[in-house]
Amino acid sequence: QVQLVQSGAEVKKPGASVKVSCKASGYTFTSYGISWVRQAPGQGLEWMGWISAYNGNTNYAQKLQGRVTMTTDTSTSTAYMELRSLRSDDTAVYYCARDWRGASVVGWFDPWGQGTLVTVSS
Amino acid sequence: EIVLTQSPATLSLSPGERATLSCRASQSVSSYLAWYQQKPGQAPRLLIYDASNRATGIPARFSGSGSGTDFTLTISSLEPEDFAVYYCQQRSNWPSGTFGQGTKVEIK
Repeated sequence: QVQLVQSGAEVKKPGASVKVSCKASGYTFTSYGISWVRQAPGQGLEWMGWISAYNGNTNYAQKLQGRVTMTTDTSTSTAYMELRSLRSDDTAVYYCARDWRGASVVGWFDPWGQGTLVTVSS
Repeated sequence: EIVLTQSPATLSLSPGERATLSCRASQSVSSYLAWYQQKPGQAPRLLIYDASNRATGIPARFSGSGSGTDFTLTISSLEPEDFAVYYCQQRSNWPSGTFGQGTKVEIK
């Protein structure tokens, strides 16, 4: 079955960087993009950005431009999200999701990874 | 940036009742709207895409409607497992994908 498995929880100090991985299985990795979404404690969902697993093209949320980098390794079917200059308000659960299209013109998030908690604290 | 506003913030209903959730866009998103369900401690799950298409494995009691700026998710008869938070998402400016703030459906 289609599955996205993310790396484990991280604790980082303010100013540090974090890199979260998302390993895909059950489908042809390069046929779909991957989006990243985060959710602060008790809050809603925030779209962070998207990467094409086919050619590596990216599109980032404006508020994260300059601090986030998304990459893929097609040899291992793994996507990565790196966030730099971490602040306390970056504390959140970070999700990856396959950008599934089916018969649609645009992609929808299906399935999602299990989430990775990133805690930023001094 | 397109803003999605969901209402109500919380919906208190009993099992077997009908739930009607609203999502309004600040400008037209055509039919590029989806609904997700999230239960505590779990990742969201795709329910409805392209405004009215049920995702694979989603029960028929879930239905979506609307286009342009006004959208509705209807749960015809609430089951105990349907009490959760529901988010709408637009992708009219794909690959950007902004979400609404969510509607919590709680047991009355």
